[in-house]
Amino acid sequence: EAQVTQNPRYLITVTGKKLTVTCSQNMNHEYMSWYRQDPGLGLRQIYYSMNVEVTDKGDVPEGYKVSRKEKRNFPLILESPSPNQTSLYFCASGYEQFFGPGTRLTVL
Amino acid sequence: AQSVTQPDIHITVSEGASLELRCNYSYGATPYLFWYVQSPGQGLQLLLKYFSGDTLVQGIKGFEAEFKRSQSSFNLRKPSVHWSDAAEYFCAVGPAASKLTFGTGTRLQVTL
Repeated sequence: EAQVTQNPRYLITVTGKKLTVTCSQNMNHEYMSWYRQDPGLGLRQIYYSMNVEVTDKGDVPEGYKVSRKEKRNFPLILESPSPNQTSLYFCASGYEQFFGPGTRLTVL
Repeated sequence: AQSVTQPDIHITVSEGASLELRCNYSYGATPYLFWYVQSPGQGLQLLLKYFSGDTLVQGIKGFEAEFKRSQSSFNLRKPSVHWSDAAEYFCAVGPAASKLTFGTGTRLQVTL
C-alpha cells in the first residue's frame, strides 16, 4: 500500500530540547516536502527536497532543518524548539503531494 | 508572489444540495492548481488538479473544478453533497507542484 508515515504522531516537549520528526514514503518519489498547519493560516511550506541531497527552503524555514540522505526518508529537525513552533506538521511526498497523517507538536 | 484566497471560511449545505467552494488566486502565468480535502484528524487528500488543457477538471468523490483564467478562479463544485463530504477544503496554487501556496481553507458542514 502506498503511504507516507510520520513519527511520532503526537509530541509534547519543552523549549530548547532538540527533536526530530521522521517521514518515510514507499512510493519511490523524488520530491518530498514539509508543511506546518496553523488555524487561520492554512498550510505553509517549511522545506522541500527535489531529490537525495537536494533540499531548499520553503516559506517558513526559520528554526527548522532537514536532511535527505536517502530517497524514502525526509526527517524534520528542530534543533532548539520554541513555543511558536507548536503546530500540526505534515510531510508530503510526490508532485501530487501524498500527505502523511500529521504530527501534532506542542512546545512548552 | 502567488497568493490564494478562499473567501468562505465556513459553509453549510443540506445533504443532496449542490456545492460550490470558491478559490481565487493571484499569479502572473497559468499556475498549477489543486484542491485538497482534509477530514478531522487526517492528512490532506488530493481531490483534483489542473496543469493545462481542458479547463473543466474531474476529480475523485464526484467533485469537479473549473479553471477560469479571466476571473483568476478555480472553484470546486459537486452537484449533490453527501454527509460524508463534511470536511475542510483547501485550494492551492503555484508555478510548480513543488512550490504551492495554500489557501486558508473552507470548512464544509452538511446538514441532514
